[in-house]
Amino acid sequence: QVQVQQWGAGLVKPSETLSLSCAVSGGLVNGYCWTWIRQSPGKGLEWIGEIAPGRGTNYNPSLKSRITISLDTSKNQVSLSLTSVTAADTGVFYCARSRYSFDSTAHYWGQGSLVVVSS
Amino acid sequence: SSELTQDPAVSVALGQTVRLTCQGDSLRSYFPSWFQQKSGQAPVLLVFGNNERPSGIPDRFSVSNAGSTSSLTITGARAEDEADYYCSSRDTTGKIVFFGGGTKLTV
Repeated sequence: QVQVQQWGAGLVKPSETLSLSCAVSGGLVNGYCWTWIRQSPGKGLEWIGEIAPGRGTNYNPSLKSRITISLDTSKNQVSLSLTSVTAADTGVFYCARSRYSFDSTAHYWGQGSLVVVSS
Repeated sequence: SSELTQDPAVSVALGQTVRLTCQGDSLRSYFPSWFQQKSGQAPVLLVFGNNERPSGIPDRFSVSNAGSTSSLTITGARAEDEADYYCSSRDTTGKIVFFGGGTKLTV
């Protein structure tokens, strides 16, 4: 069974960089589409961006200037970097993996990482 | 277009059938995905593509797509179906993904 695990700092100071990573237990990150989604407290889901084999990265236009999604095959993990954070970036961040290499549906989800932006 | 519209809240009686809708121009070009999120939990993929369900998702959940509207039907609603439901689709460029605002289902 595919299990997505994610980790990262839960408290980030304003203006600093949020960094999260995820991986799949017993499998490789390469060859699948990885998506990052966030959920502000009490709000709905917001797509942050994705990285997919052969298609590179796509980002939410509203966050594009601050986001980097990367894949590190040597560490077998996918990472999200969000720079210049403010309190409005507080929320639960999810990473999700596709089932196949050729699709991008967020099939398998991580448990979520709560990130609080506060000094 | 990049907007998906869902009813904010819907209620259904136990055992009855309920239909949740998602509307957006991009649905004319892309099949949506539907997710269920129970309180305090990560979302779960319910239906994707042309009414495909991941393994473990009961066939009580089904989707029909027509034009700019996608409808998630839950047949025989159970108490455990009480959750937030989100639809998702790519925009017309195919490069951006959007979520609807979500529907809070009360059983």
